[in-house]
Amino acid sequence: GAVVSQHPSRVICKSGTSVKIECRSLDFQATTMFWYRQFPKQSLMLMATSNEGSKATYEQGVEKDKFLINHASLTLSTLTVTSAHPEDSSFYICSASSGGTGNTIYFGEGSWLTVV
Amino acid sequence: GNSVTQMEGPVTLSEEAFLTINCTYTATGYPSLFWYVQYPGEGLQLLLKATKADDKGSNKGFEATYRKETTSFHLEKGSVQVSDSAVYFCALSVKSGGSNYKLTFGKGTLLTVNP
Repeated sequence: GAVVSQHPSRVICKSGTSVKIECRSLDFQATTMFWYRQFPKQSLMLMATSNEGSKATYEQGVEKDKFLINHASLTLSTLTVTSAHPEDSSFYICSASSGGTGNTIYFGEGSWLTVV
Repeated sequence: GNSVTQMEGPVTLSEEAFLTINCTYTATGYPSLFWYVQYPGEGLQLLLKATKADDKGSNKGFEATYRKETTSFHLEKGSVQVSDSAVYFCALSVKSGGSNYKLTFGKGTLLTVNP
């Protein structure tokens, strides 16, 4: 079946630095990818919708200058957390849509970000 | 707007017990409905889905039926196992501009199954 892979699975960075998380669709082309943030014991919060070759659409309250999303190809989207702060520490999950009438969305394994 | 309300946990059951996790939704348009499962330390996995009214999604002994009249998609399993311990998320997707489908999640229900 379809597989979405995220890298890195865990990352620790210092406050003020930037960190990039990659999301790849391994066996299908994903015109749309989604980035979510999950706080402990809470649901997933959609951060942005990423469309290949165009700017991402951010949800209300998400800082687009802080969470940079690039969807340069049909199999790769990246999320860059810029000038990271401890409150950015979270579990980030991407998902990709294979499109079509099935509209099934596949999720990556998630990336744990810890900002120290 | 779109929203998903699911039974708050945690839910603790003994092995071989019957499981029901309630899920109701509100949506603009005609949504597809999903149950996702998140095992400890892992990302989300699609458990089952239904795309139209009266459809029944099933997988690994879990079932859920798309009930349009009650706007519900309750998850059931006749006999749970310890390995079913996880967080279960109910979700819906509707078309959101062009060919995009946006998922809306419930808050998740933690299930713990004891031997």
